[in-house]
Amino acid sequence: EPEVTQTPSHQVTQMGQEVILRCVPISNHLYFYWYRQILGQKVEFLVSFYNNEISEKSEIFDDQFSVERPDGSNFTLKIRSTKLEDSAMYFCASSLDRVGEQYFGPGTRLTVT
Amino acid sequence: GEDVEQSLFLSVREGDSSVINCTYTDSSSTYLYWYKQEPGAGLQLLTYIFSNMDMKQDQRLTVLLNKKDKHLSLRIADTQTGDSAIYFCAEKGGADGLTFGKGTHLIIQP
Repeated sequence: EPEVTQTPSHQVTQMGQEVILRCVPISNHLYFYWYRQILGQKVEFLVSFYNNEISEKSEIFDDQFSVERPDGSNFTLKIRSTKLEDSAMYFCASSLDRVGEQYFGPGTRLTVT
Repeated sequence: GEDVEQSLFLSVREGDSSVINCTYTDSSSTYLYWYKQEPGAGLQLLTYIFSNMDMKQDQRLTVLLNKKDKHLSLRIADTQTGDSAIYFCAEKGGADGLTFGKGTHLIIQP
């Protein structure tokens, strides 16, 4: 069964450093998403991506965040200058279309020290 | 903004039915979802219901939707130890992103 994959599973970085989180969505899906879950809090929507551009973004997704589909399979989330409060689990998801079910990857745990 | 609420814990005996409840505020919700998260794993899509339905059954899972009260429930029949996990309710309205609840920890007593 096709699945969304994410790498790395755990990333530790120092405050102020840039990180890139990687995702491989399900191959025939057209919409891609990033969500985050701060420990003990709700899963929150960050951004959606379609046709090589951002479709929607939440107010959390500020200028320090960017997304890219650098090739036909990968989808990345870059955090330019990490802050302590960026520590969270980051989930990638994909769906066939805008209204279809969203399938999630296993997540990347980001720890900023 | 839109909100989804769930109770944090539910404890049931093995073999009993589990009923996990969720309320939401978005009256434009089109789809409502249940995701399961086991320790160290991602969010597994369990089932979903379209907003014009009031019930959906899939093997041991039954989803009930009361659109008037904005109440969603997930019933797991014959609960097993493998059902122990966090269950997230999520809704999709007009926006791309899903709005999640905080998750209900399902604890199975032997």
